[in-house]
Amino acid sequence: SQQGEEDPQALSIQEGENATMNCSYKTSINNLQWYRQNSGRGLVHLILIRSNEREKHSGRLRVTLDTSKKSSSLLITASRAADTASYFCATDAWNYGGSQGNLIFGKGTKLSVKP
Amino acid sequence: ETGVTQSPTHLIKTRGQQVTLRCSSQSGHNTVSWYQQALGQGPQFIFQYYREEENGRGNFPPRFSGLQFPNYSSELNVNALELDDSALYLCASSLERLEREQYFGPGTRLTVT
Repeated sequence: SQQGEEDPQALSIQEGENATMNCSYKTSINNLQWYRQNSGRGLVHLILIRSNEREKHSGRLRVTLDTSKKSSSLLITASRAADTASYFCATDAWNYGGSQGNLIFGKGTKLSVKP
Repeated sequence: ETGVTQSPTHLIKTRGQQVTLRCSSQSGHNTVSWYQQALGQGPQFIFQYYREEENGRGNFPPRFSGLQFPNYSSELNVNALELDDSALYLCASSLERLEREQYFGPGTRLTVT
């Protein structure tokens, strides 16, 4: 079963705009990660935020985590056409009954950035 | 590029057949996880191998099995293929079994007809 649910399912913006994607999950977690996937290929790790962190930055990426609401958001600033991809959140709950190594993914947000 | 490779890239099989997919982990990584990704869905965890032993398994039937070799490369075997097995199969390697970040290969696209 999928724990994370991304919102929106699809997002279309112009180059230079900011893109915000949200993720909700159901159980306690050790950490939450965001991945990017281009055209049904392999996933690329973007950023990991631990359960005791509230905000993390990496380049044009900003991730927030609210464990009380069981939600996270990914902000991509000054988007580029190359950011066009699907974005997935994945939760790691190995210390809360999950299998070791089992990242639980949502269905993803499909981002389209138009030049 | 993550350094994780998978073969083949694409595969077409007939229902009832058996298939073997292969994965070479990133250098120095001793843990490999396999995921199935149906069209329009997120990846679903199949199982993980750590130092040649199965270390965790998702909700997949026994006809999904795997191996990990001494060089930490891995195979995913699926017997008695069903139409619903059509998906992108991803392997991911990590430095240790509890390492949080996983490095994904490009995937194998399996089509079952």
